[in-house]
Amino acid sequence: AQKVTQAQTEISVVEKEDVTLDCVYETRDTTYYLFWYKQPPSGELVFLIRRNSFDEQNEISGRYSWNFQKSTSSFNFTITASQVVDSAVYFCALSEVDNQFYFGTGTSLTVIP
Amino acid sequence: DVKVTQSSRYLVKRTGEKVFLECVQDMDHENMFWYRQDPGLGLRLIYFSYDVKMKEKGDIPEGYSVSREKKERFSLILESASTNQTSMYLCASSLSGRSYVDTQYFGPGTRLTVL
Repeated sequence: AQKVTQAQTEISVVEKEDVTLDCVYETRDTTYYLFWYKQPPSGELVFLIRRNSFDEQNEISGRYSWNFQKSTSSFNFTITASQVVDSAVYFCALSEVDNQFYFGTGTSLTVIP
Repeated sequence: DVKVTQSSRYLVKRTGEKVFLECVQDMDHENMFWYRQDPGLGLRLIYFSYDVKMKEKGDIPEGYSVSREKKERFSLILESASTNQTSMYLCASSLSGRSYVDTQYFGPGTRLTVL
């Protein structure tokens, strides 16, 4: 079974629109960590955020925000007022204390000027 | 800032060749990782090293070996390259603890083509 599901394979939005990337995870651990990474066309994965399972506060960083809901096992990522530079593949990931890092299959975001 | 570098961005090799992919990190991280990334499959862990000379197999270790003689350097070795090893290879490092809970920082990737 998939530990991390990113159901949206590809999304296209017009510049300045808001967009939400969904991430649903599965774990039986009470302590775990969730991550988002960005992979621009250059290929390098860029770390965006790390969240532990005990901190359900939403996070905002500039145009980026994250909504962590344990009740629905989701850790969604919203980009407000999208820009062309946001075009990339975005990966959600889960790590359990005694297990691996599990990556989702990624969501490819295209922002159209 | 954490810096993870990989020896080549693009590499073309022939079937049967021995291939070395090098990764170096400059932040004194204990953990280092090798992944391969393929379309539709996401990132899959090949090997994990939590200390010099220490390693653990990931999901897909077959056909690969690794070497970690110094803390900052982690090498991935394809003993006899095959066409199904054509892929993007990503190296990462994280702080410590023989665990996966720390943030992993990635290198720019090596796109390997085996002909």
